[in-house]
Amino acid sequence: AQTVTQSQPEMSVQEAETVTLSCTYDTSESNYYLFWYKQPPSRQMILVIRQEAYKQQNATENRFSVNFQKAAKSFSLKISDSQLGDTAMYFCAFMKGTLGSQGNLIFGKGTKLSVKP
Amino acid sequence: EAQVTQNPRYLITVTGKKLTVTCSQNMNHEYMSWYRQDPGLGLRQIYYSMNVEVTDKGDVPEGYKVSRKEKRNFPLILESPSPNQTSLYFCASSLGPRGADTQYFGPGTRLTVL
Repeated sequence: AQTVTQSQPEMSVQEAETVTLSCTYDTSESNYYLFWYKQPPSRQMILVIRQEAYKQQNATENRFSVNFQKAAKSFSLKISDSQLGDTAMYFCAFMKGTLGSQGNLIFGKGTKLSVKP
Repeated sequence: EAQVTQNPRYLITVTGKKLTVTCSQNMNHEYMSWYRQDPGLGLRQIYYSMNVEVTDKGDVPEGYKVSRKEKRNFPLILESPSPNQTSLYFCASSLGPRGADTQYFGPGTRLTVL
């Protein structure tokens, strides 16, 4: 079974600074996807970034980038130039990439990020 | 606007009173699923559907039913709700079950069972 671990229940960062959220996972699959989702106080789940395991290049989306270390099974999220609107719960998630996947996202427990002015 | 809608957004009910949470998407997606979110546990999949009339259990299906009679709708049914089903529920949809298919989430339904 796959597991996703987020070891930082809460973090805070000053506006305009950089913060890194940690995520580790456990799987025996060779083909899979990893995701970071953002859940602001509105509770809406928003996809931040996606990484395909077979791609060595780390995914980036504007101020958001990941550090994907496949051998170490680590998938951290870096947020640069933090903004007040980045305040949210962040979830790391895993999905099998094999044909026949049930499309099940396996979520970590989340990291609550507060951006302070 | 492409979206997933859920109704109701908030619901307080009593043990044993049957309820249905509706989910609808306007993106012609084949894949739909339900998750529940509990503090300290993240989100866990309840049921999923690959297409019309094709549904299957997720990781925590006990106490829930679903149906998929139309492509756009995927209601979640609690026939005899219990307090341990108090949770935040999300419906999600995507083109397919693949990781490359972005899953779009509804706004959530906060359910309290007394």
